[in-house]
Amino acid sequence: DIQMTQSPSTLSASVGDRVTITCRASQSISSWLAWYQQKPGKAPKLLIYKASSLESGVPSRFSGSGSGTEFTLTISSLQPDDFATYYCQQFNSYLWTFGQGTKVEIK
Amino acid sequence: QVQLVESGGGLVKPGGSLRLSCAASGFTFSDYYMSWIRQAPGKGLEWISYIGRSGSTIYYVDSVKGRFTISRDDAKNSLYLQMNSLRAEDTAVYYCARDRKGIPVAGTLDYWGQGTLVTVSS
Repeated sequence: DIQMTQSPSTLSASVGDRVTITCRASQSISSWLAWYQQKPGKAPKLLIYKASSLESGVPSRFSGSGSGTEFTLTISSLQPDDFATYYCQQFNSYLWTFGQGTKVEIK
Repeated sequence: QVQLVESGGGLVKPGGSLRLSCAASGFTFSDYYMSWIRQAPGKGLEWISYIGRSGSTIYYVDSVKGRFTISRDDAKNSLYLQMNSLRAEDTAVYYCARDRKGIPVAGTLDYWGQGTLVTVSS
């Protein structure tokens, strides 16, 4: 199975900050990676697909980059609505796996 | 608009069975791959099963293989998960999700239901 490791596990930031979350795969997954945002008690929401493509309706302050084994999710200017947990997910092989999550907290 | 509504969760004893349903609306259900994903209390996300169009392709994570069965009824716009031999570690919120079109490889989940809680406890 492909293991996905996110860092950091928790991130404290202020409104307006630039935030970067890293996701590493245990083997190359090309660009078959998605990012999701989840708020407490809610279902995850797709933000980024194919590593760097912004899902329709998602604010442009979110961006994704990377290929192979290292990927990043960047929020260019953190907004109050962005405090949530973020997950990466690989779909290179049919045993799709998620990272353990990164919780973005208010500093 | 796209809607996915799960039902069928509840409290069940270890070794028991449950059948989850996911009612889809707002899109042509038969055109889409579908998945089940679960989230144990306070934990991360775990993909558990996938079904292709017309049930042509089915995959499971190892931890549920042989115990869970995914199926779909395109006439009823519904996805199902039959769960047998349930264990305490199966306790989780179970989500159904739709696979995004337009990507050569399946696995991008663009719409999710609100989830249904399954609790396995004596």
